[in-house]
Amino acid sequence: QQQVKQSPQSLIVQKGGISIINCAYENTAFDYFPWYQQFPGKGPALLIAIRPDVSEKKEGRFTISFNKSAKQFSLHIMDSQPGDSATYFCAAYPMNRDDKIIFGKGTRLHILP
Amino acid sequence: DGGITQSPKYLFRKEGQNVTLSCEQNLNHDAMYWYRQDPGQGLRLIYYSQIVNDFQKGDIAEGYSVSREKKESFPLTVTSAQKNPTAFYLCASSSLGTTRSYNEQFFGPGTRLTVL
Repeated sequence: QQQVKQSPQSLIVQKGGISIINCAYENTAFDYFPWYQQFPGKGPALLIAIRPDVSEKKEGRFTISFNKSAKQFSLHIMDSQPGDSATYFCAAYPMNRDDKIIFGKGTRLHILP
Repeated sequence: DGGITQSPKYLFRKEGQNVTLSCEQNLNHDAMYWYRQDPGQGLRLIYYSQIVNDFQKGDIAEGYSVSREKKESFPLTVTSAQKNPTAFYLCASSSLGTTRSYNEQFFGPGTRLTVL
């Protein structure tokens, strides 16, 4: 079964620091890579997403870096704030639209005030 | 939460009972999904539907049932056959357009089910 491996499982970062979460996928049958942010007791919300034809996408303090040859992509949160404390999921959308979306298992991020 | 509502927010069930979780969307999306979320397990797909009156099993469909009588609604029934139903249940929806960016899944706020 296709997988997306996400790491680390949990992460603690000082306020103002850079938070980095990594994901790796196993084959090339994906064409869209979003990150979701989920606060406790809430549903995940789309945070930022990238297509494989670009290597980086930035939206405010959030950046996705994409390495197609290594089949890896990562989320960077610059100047991390306590309000960023949440669980983050990466996902991979299949080119074959009949296949299901593959989600990483999530990273619980805690920003120390 | 993107026009998707789930009710109730919290649900308690006695062993042996069936319970139904509601999911409604006003986004005019064709596809709807049910996921189960357990700590450290990520999101696991239970059922999905791409068209009214049709649905497919996901990875963990045993002990669950769904219906899709209306485009806007996709209720999930957790039956007594589900041996460990305590979890956070998420409903999602997406369009089925040809451009990937329009197929993004939007999630509801979730229902937390606890078996007493």
